[in-house]
Amino acid sequence: SQQGEEDPQALSIQEGENATMNCSYKTSINNLQWYRQNSGRGLVHLILIRSNEREKHSGRLRVTLDTSKKSSSLLITASRAADTASYFCATNLPGNQFYFGTGTSLTVIP
Amino acid sequence: GAVVSQHPSWVICKSGTSVKIECRSLDFQATTMFWYRQFPKQSLMLMATSNEGSKATYEQGVEKDKFLINHASLTLSTLTVTSAHPEDSSFYICSAKDGSTNEKLFFGSGTQLSVL
Repeated sequence: SQQGEEDPQALSIQEGENATMNCSYKTSINNLQWYRQNSGRGLVHLILIRSNEREKHSGRLRVTLDTSKKSSSLLITASRAADTASYFCATNLPGNQFYFGTGTSLTVIP
Repeated sequence: GAVVSQHPSWVICKSGTSVKIECRSLDFQATTMFWYRQFPKQSLMLMATSNEGSKATYEQGVEKDKFLINHASLTLSTLTVTSAHPEDSSFYICSAKDGSTNEKLFFGSGTQLSVL
């Protein structure tokens, strides 16, 4: 399976704290993306980082990519209760497929 | 951003019947759409890649005769679960690559299928 692994599986933090989740994958990629899913809903694209990029920012989101270690991390700063959701990394492979990681369930406690 | 509409959002059917799920790109043309399946509290499993005007490419272990995919136009792909059984109960989500950069995925809102 091309599916990536994410850790932690679940994360519970207080509002205002930072949340970090990690993603590891197996093969060469065109880019890596992070998505958010609220329970029972579709996924929403958060941020994309290309294979030749090492770090990217978007608002309270910071993504890093280490292609030598085949890993990425997503940092959400100053978390809010509304950030409670599941977060998935997705690898875009050269063959046009997208494979999703196992996901991290984030709970932000008000 | 691009909008992908998926219908129905919820369907309950009897075992042995077939169910069709539609996925439409509303404001862009999608030459490629992807169909995923998701079990509760688990990740998305890619079932197949749907290409407009050609046969879908199925992932290993996915029965093509069970899950029929048709991508007849640049804005519509359908997934038909044929002769559904309780083990087919799941959350099915479609997605399409955005037409401009061809990098991001836009998702439908998903279809919860319950087979009795």
